[in-house]
Amino acid sequence: GDSVTQMEGPVTLSEEAFLTINCTYTATGYPSLFWYVQYPGEGLQLLLKATKADDKGSNKGFEATYRKETTSFHLEKGSVQVSDSAVYFCALSPPSGNTPLVFGKGTRLSVIA
Amino acid sequence: DGGITQSPKYLFRKEGQNVTLSCEQNLNHDAMYWYRQDPGQGLRLIYYSQIVNDFQKGDIAEGYSVSREKKESFPLTVTSAQKNPTAFYLCASRQRQGGFTEAFFGQGTRLTVV
Repeated sequence: GDSVTQMEGPVTLSEEAFLTINCTYTATGYPSLFWYVQYPGEGLQLLLKATKADDKGSNKGFEATYRKETTSFHLEKGSVQVSDSAVYFCALSPPSGNTPLVFGKGTRLSVIA
Repeated sequence: DGGITQSPKYLFRKEGQNVTLSCEQNLNHDAMYWYRQDPGQGLRLIYYSQIVNDFQKGDIAEGYSVSREKKESFPLTVTSAQKNPTAFYLCASRQRQGGFTEAFFGQGTRLTVV
């Protein structure tokens, strides 16, 4: 079945460091891909998305590119801030659209000043 | 202002009691979902519904029940059969049409057994 694998955390970075959180997926066809962010005690918020190969999703300085050849959707940010400390989830939506999103296990990011 | 509202934010349950978590959305979404999140863990799907009066079990449905009598509402009941119900519960919704819509989440309900 469809699955998402993302790097295990926690990831600890100093402020202004470069961030990469790896995400790879297994799916038939061409799924849509998403990154969600969860701050402590809150629900998940959509951070960015991409719906077809080579699409780049971007928001709040975060970027991720849909790579069909490597089945990857890695999240990157050039300069992290303390306020970026959160848990990040990679997810896919199967092409049929009639099944629930498939989530990775989440990666906790801590940014220290 | 459109969105998903979960209530209450915090809920305490005595052992042996059933409790119901509320989830309401005004986004006119067809599909709704319930997830469970344990500390330091990912999301596990409990139940989902893609249309009124129909729902399917997710990966961990045992000890839970749902109903979908109205499009905007998808309450979750945690029954006494759920042996370890203490967790953070998240409700989500999305458009059922097409394969490319994201899910929108509520703010969650933290359930604690006392």
